[in-house]
Amino acid sequence: EVQLLESGGGLVQPGGSLRLSCAASGFTFSSYAMTWVRQAPGKGLEWVSAISTGGASTYYADSVKGRFTISRANSKNTLYLQMNSLRAEDTAVYYCAIIRDGSSSSPGVYYYWGQGTLVTVSS
Amino acid sequence: DIQMTQSPSSLSASVGDRVTITCRASQAINNYLAWFQQKPGKAPKSLIYAASSLQSGVPSKFSGSGSGTDFTLTISSLQPEDFATYYCQQYDTYPPAFGQGTKVEIK
Repeated sequence: EVQLLESGGGLVQPGGSLRLSCAASGFTFSSYAMTWVRQAPGKGLEWVSAISTGGASTYYADSVKGRFTISRANSKNTLYLQMNSLRAEDTAVYYCAIIRDGSSSSPGVYYYWGQGTLVTVSS
Repeated sequence: DIQMTQSPSSLSASVGDRVTITCRASQAINNYLAWFQQKPGKAPKSLIYAASSLQSGVPSKFSGSGSGTDFTLTISSLQPEDFATYYCQQYDTYPPAFGQGTKVEIK
């Protein structure tokens, strides 16, 4: 059974940092690109970042570029999102998802999502 | 960047109704269009990809159609478990973009 378990969320002050993790199981993690998508309270879905199977290619939304870093450890079946210089507008539930059929030009199909972890940026 | 616009933003329907949600892209997206269902407090669930292909395990009451810039999601006979928010998403080019969502409520 495919499982994605996000962790690392919590309350952080503006300007602070947080690292999210997404532990994967039930599929061959190293064979799939992965992505992070967030959802602010009561709002819609916003794509954040994506990473290729080996980690060589990464993609970011303009709203997080230069502040967030996506990475992965295939030996640990884990996806990460390092978030620095956090702002109030980064408050959201962060979901990781498995990408199918992605490429350097096409984001691919987000076919399975984890349950999410809540990040709250507030003083 | 490509913008996605869904309509309506919300709708009220009864059990057994046929429901249609539309999604328009700001430019042609080569049918790289997905639909997701999200229930309160839950993660999104993939329903349809490539505009009309059903994800494994998704019931056939859900169907997608369209091409170019205009797409639709149809639920043939609404059931209690279908009351949720539905999102379209283009995955033709980066950055991938979601529609603002359509909340389907019980009449």
